[in-house]
Amino acid sequence: NAGVTQTPKFQVLKTGQSMTLQCAQDMNHNSMYWYRQDPGMGLRLIYYSASEGTTDKGEVPNGYNVSRLNKREFSLRLESAAPSQTSVYFCASRTGHGGSQPQHFGDGTRLSIL
Amino acid sequence: GQQLNQSPQSMFIQEGEDVSMNCTSSSIFNTWLWYKQEPGEGPVLLIALYKAGELTSNGRLTAQFGITRKDSFLNISASIPSDVGIYFCAGLANAGGTSYGKLTFGQGTILTVHP
Repeated sequence: NAGVTQTPKFQVLKTGQSMTLQCAQDMNHNSMYWYRQDPGMGLRLIYYSASEGTTDKGEVPNGYNVSRLNKREFSLRLESAAPSQTSVYFCASRTGHGGSQPQHFGDGTRLSIL
Repeated sequence: GQQLNQSPQSMFIQEGEDVSMNCTSSSIFNTWLWYKQEPGEGPVLLIALYKAGELTSNGRLTAQFGITRKDSFLNISASIPSDVGIYFCAGLANAGGTSYGKLTFGQGTILTVHP
């Protein structure tokens, strides 16, 4: 009963280092999402993938890239980490291309950039 | 872009009290969702609302989809210590194929319950 699994759970980087956050879902969902959560700002969408083979920018995409590796996996990459990217990152998935089905979230990756 | 204003930002209540929080928007949403986040975990869906005017309950939780489609509220009755957490509202603007399920989130309400 894993749902959405994110790795790693914690990471500390130095400014300028690169890092890939991994996300996998076992619910056969079509759509996947990456959010960042900062105090007092709720969750903000970084990138999403409506279906396997497609990715699109969300509200705050600058400094990030994504890869929808297959239907199960959606990774988020920081090419040159900056202190402003210190945040908690959440991956989510949902079943359909359209409709109103809610998203299901992983437990997050806590990332600190020094 | 679209924004959701969620209030209050935080609440400190005694066990047994009722709680009310709400979200408002300047634009219309076709779906409202309420999530709860506990420390160290991701948001978990509590209630989903799909029609204007809809009132839905989940145990001690009750949520309503505003008639104007621009607001929603969540009530928790007879609070208990395990209700502690951050509550988020989220809106989906277009239930059709072009929305791709993208959600807009409120800033969250931090709930503390004193035994």
